[in-house]
Amino acid sequence: GENVEQHPSTLSVQEGDSAVIKCTYSDSASNYFPWYKQELGKGPQLIIDIRSNVGEKKDQRIAVTLNKTAKHFSLHITETQPEDSAVYFCAASPPSGNEKLTFGTGTRLTIIP
Amino acid sequence: GAVVSQHPSRVICKSGTSVKIECRSLDFQATTMFWYRQFPKQSLMLMATSNEGSKATYEQGVEKDKFLINHASLTLSTLTVTSAHPEDSSFYICSAGSGTSTDTQYFGPGTRLTVL
Repeated sequence: GENVEQHPSTLSVQEGDSAVIKCTYSDSASNYFPWYKQELGKGPQLIIDIRSNVGEKKDQRIAVTLNKTAKHFSLHITETQPEDSAVYFCAASPPSGNEKLTFGTGTRLTIIP
Repeated sequence: GAVVSQHPSRVICKSGTSVKIECRSLDFQATTMFWYRQFPKQSLMLMATSNEGSKATYEQGVEKDKFLINHASLTLSTLTVTSAHPEDSSFYICSAGSGTSTDTQYFGPGTRLTVL
């Protein structure tokens, strides 16, 4: 089955700087890669996703890059703000529709004011 | 769009009782819903996949008789924790497909279960 590794487990960044979180996956058939943000006591919130037919996707301060050959994808947050502090999870899913997601272990991001 | 709700948000119960958690897709129809369990400071652990009108598919190690899942309509799935024990205390989260994309899952806000 799919295995997703996520690094780092914790990340502290000065406000205004950029943050990068990286994930690798094992199943080359996976073709959907979402990123979720989870605040304390809440459910995960989808913040951006990418499919294997593109290499990069951007939404304002958030971007995701995908390298299918190396089987890794990354989340980039620029101009970080205190409200970006949360736990971030990457995930991977195989094709075929409504298949279960395999999650990474999470990254606790702290933005230092 | 793509809003998923859960009820209740918190529940405290005594050992031996059963607790039902509801998961609703508010503005789309979800053929498939997923139930997760999350322990403090850990990732999400998939418990089961719930398909409308059919039996749920449970992950290895998850007791189907203890965690009863019903997906009676395209907007509602329920998880019943039967004969709850303190070790069942956890954060339970459901997710549902968006309906417009077969891959995208949107999560509910979660239910904090505490068994005394």
